[in-house]
Amino acid sequence: QSALTQPRSVSGSPGQSVTISCTGTSSDIGGYNYVSWYQHHPGKAPKLVIYDVTKRPSGVPDRFSASKSGNTASLTISGLQPEDESDYYCCAYAGSYTYAVFGGGTKLTVL
Amino acid sequence: QVQLVQSGAGVKKPGSSVRVSCKTSGGTFSTFAITWVRQAPGQGLEWMGGIIPIFARARYAQKFQGRVTITLDESTDTAYMDLKSLQSEDTAVYYCARAKGAYDYYFDVWGQGTLVTVSS
Repeated sequence: QSALTQPRSVSGSPGQSVTISCTGTSSDIGGYNYVSWYQHHPGKAPKLVIYDVTKRPSGVPDRFSASKSGNTASLTISGLQPEDESDYYCCAYAGSYTYAVFGGGTKLTVL
Repeated sequence: QVQLVQSGAGVKKPGSSVRVSCKTSGGTFSTFAITWVRQAPGQGLEWMGGIIPIFARARYAQKFQGRVTITLDESTDTAYMDLKSLQSEDTAVYYCARAKGAYDYYFDVWGQGTLVTVSS
């Protein structure tokens, strides 16, 4: 199973919005409503910021939102803050055999 | 508050095996699904496999089939990941993570990570 496709990097200024895309296939993103997103600061454990395509865990700011269309999922961070600078990974359920596949990761730089 | 605490870092010789443990606390272990994810230097997160206690079956990424074994010890609420035939490319930080239930396909609690270095 190939990794999901994410842009290597995105950037934005404080207060702006950025969107990170995640493209898969009909066997993963397009086949199920089970896309999750993780924020990963180097040296720390990944943190869940979105699950089941659009849901935010308790404690995650509502600046984080997400959606899905066809085989592509998207994470939008609005009102960028310096602490949002991190690596972001999408992950999709890919069926009972393969189970899960991650994207290659996107480095968000807050200028 | 569910916590996952992993075993410490280690150095292994090429061709050897490694076992990483992941002890859970603060929840009902038998209802979790435990997954293992790794990150090699300069690379992204990579799903290796997972196990669902109530079904007592594991699933593995095709890339690791035959080399990885994920098991559970419900008496100690601990999950294990064994990886054999180690090569330098297996140098990575290995994470365990929890899915709340058998049909939850996201990982809401993560261990602190275990660095495994493969070097002669």
